[in-house]
Amino acid sequence: SQQGEEDPQALSIQEGENATMNCSYKTSINNLQWYRQNSGRGLVHLILIRSNEREKHSGRLRVTLDTSKKSSSLLITASRAADTASYFCATDSANSGYALNFGKGTSLLVTP
Amino acid sequence: DGGITQSPKYLFRKEGQNVTLSCEQNLNHDAMYWYRQDPGQGLRLIYYSQIVNDFQKGDIAEGYSVSREKKESFPLTVTSAQKNPTAFYLCASSISRGEQYFGPGTRLTVT
Repeated sequence: SQQGEEDPQALSIQEGENATMNCSYKTSINNLQWYRQNSGRGLVHLILIRSNEREKHSGRLRVTLDTSKKSSSLLITASRAADTASYFCATDSANSGYALNFGKGTSLLVTP
Repeated sequence: DGGITQSPKYLFRKEGQNVTLSCEQNLNHDAMYWYRQDPGQGLRLIYYSQIVNDFQKGDIAEGYSVSREKKESFPLTVTSAQKNPTAFYLCASSISRGEQYFGPGTRLTVT
């Protein structure tokens, strides 16, 4: 079952602006991950945040996790046209080994 | 180059035919996964395998079968029992409970 739900479904911004995407989930997790998918391609791992962490940074990416609200956010700062892609959050599941539950994603469009 | 490969990139089949999608990895990962993605949707888990000669059903296993005879390979067969097989199929692998590495995907069209 799809546990993560991203919000908004679509986001359009201009280069240089920040993009924020949110993810909510339903059950307890070990970790939460964010992935990026360019159209028609496989997914690329962006960042993993563990349930005992609250914030993590990687380059222009900042991820926060609030386990009390069962939510996470992905912030992309100073966006570029090359950031145009779909972004998915994924949570692990105690019932599916190491498999991940993905949300439906946020489609980000960055215009020059 | 280390990585995970899927073949073919595009596959066309007639309804009623079984078809096998290939997934190979040289990352020495124990765990491998098959996901299905429909337009505008997230990924749904079909099957996963944590070790050679062992695999488990995911959320949407009906109409699919897999094998894991070698650590490097995890082929997926889409059988004629799968009611709506047209989709984008993604294979992934991982060491453990962490980052998954994805292949480029196979787009299957059944007419």
